[in-house]
Amino acid sequence: QVQLMESGGGVVQPGRSLRLSCAVSGFTFSNYAMHWVRQAPGKGLEWVAIISYDGTNKNYADSVKGRFTISRDKSNNTLNLQMNSLRTEDTAVYYCARATTSEITFGGVIPDWGQGTLVTVSS
Amino acid sequence: EIVMTQSPATLSVSPGERATLSCRASQSVSIYLAWYHQKPGQSPRLLIYGASTRAAGIPARFSGSGSGTEFTLTISSLQSEDFAVYYCQQYNYWPFTFGPGTKVDI
Repeated sequence: QVQLMESGGGVVQPGRSLRLSCAVSGFTFSNYAMHWVRQAPGKGLEWVAIISYDGTNKNYADSVKGRFTISRDKSNNTLNLQMNSLRTEDTAVYYCARATTSEITFGGVIPDWGQGTLVTVSS
Repeated sequence: EIVMTQSPATLSVSPGERATLSCRASQSVSIYLAWYHQKPGQSPRLLIYGASTRAAGIPARFSGSGSGTEFTLTISSLQSEDFAVYYCQQYNYWPFTFGPGTKVDI
């Protein structure tokens, strides 16, 4: 069965960096686009970023563009999110999620989600 | 950015009753609209995509309709496990955007 396991969350000061990872299993990782979606405490869902099956195409929410970088490593079935210049408003649970498509266009349907990892940005 | 709105914010219903949730997009998203629900402490779960196609394993009591800017999720007979927050999401335009959610409670 599909498994998505996020790691790397924690407490970080504003302006610092953090790298999230997501180990996947149960499906052919190299066939699917992948997402990061976040949820601030007590709030709704916010889509963050998407990467195509081969890593060549990416797109980001305006709120993170230029600060966050999504990447993937097919050799060990891992999705990553490098987060730089963190702000207090980046505090959230970050979910790794699988798309239904290989490319990012119309790739917004998300059938599989991880359990999430909490990132707290605070001084 | 496409702004998604949902109504009502909270819907109080009893088990066995019908629930109708609305979602509106600030401009047409065609049928590129998905519905998810999320129970406390859990990850979201995909219910509907393409405005009206049920995802794998989703019971027939869940149905979606609409196109363009107006969408509806109907739960024909609420079960106890359906009490959750429901989100709509458009995926026709970048960035993908979610609505603020409708909480379905007793």
